[in-house]
Amino acid sequence: GIQVEQSPPDLILQEGANSTLRCNFSDSVNNLQWFHQNPWGQLINLFYIPSGTKQNGRLSATTVATERYSLLYISSSQTTDSGVYFCAVDRTGTASKLTFGTGTRLQVTL
Amino acid sequence: NAGVTQTPKFQVLKTGQSMTLQCAQDMNHEYMSWYRQDPGMGLRLIHYSVGAGITDQGEVPNGYNVSRSTTEDFPLRLLSAAPSQTSVYFCASSYVAGGHTEAFFGQGTRLTVV
Repeated sequence: GIQVEQSPPDLILQEGANSTLRCNFSDSVNNLQWFHQNPWGQLINLFYIPSGTKQNGRLSATTVATERYSLLYISSSQTTDSGVYFCAVDRTGTASKLTFGTGTRLQVTL
Repeated sequence: NAGVTQTPKFQVLKTGQSMTLQCAQDMNHEYMSWYRQDPGMGLRLIHYSVGAGITDQGEVPNGYNVSRSTTEDFPLRLLSAAPSQTSVYFCASSYVAGGHTEAFFGQGTRLTVV
């Protein structure tokens, strides 16, 4: 099956700093999503981005499908950004069989 | 819309007991899936459904059964609970529209088997 690797595994930032999270995947995909799992365990949708670039406030994401990687940018980080960020991919075109990476655990400190 | 609703939120079972984790969605999504999340890991697919009456196995299906009699509901049954099934379980629903497909998750059920 498809392999998904995320880096770095852990990241500690001071509030206000910027960061880049990376997701590499081993085969072509129809769907790529980024999620934020908050400290209460809830999975929050950030981006659906199988290719191209999107921005939502302080967050943006870029997927280069031909090179099989995606990047999540967090600018001016806040303590509420803490949690685990997951990349998940799907090859069915239905998002019903997502393969997740192991995540990047982000801690933002004051 | 409530989105994807899972019940219960927490459950403790004894080894050998059976139970059903409930999942319901009110978004009229065609596709539904169950995942488990173990400490320090991403989510892994247990079973999924591409429509009412159609289910299939995912990566880790052993010890679990599913059925999908309606579009809205997708219960997950543990037949004889084992400590290895201690995990957090997430249900998701997804749709396809105009080439866009996206999955949405419930809040999870934390299950402990003792």
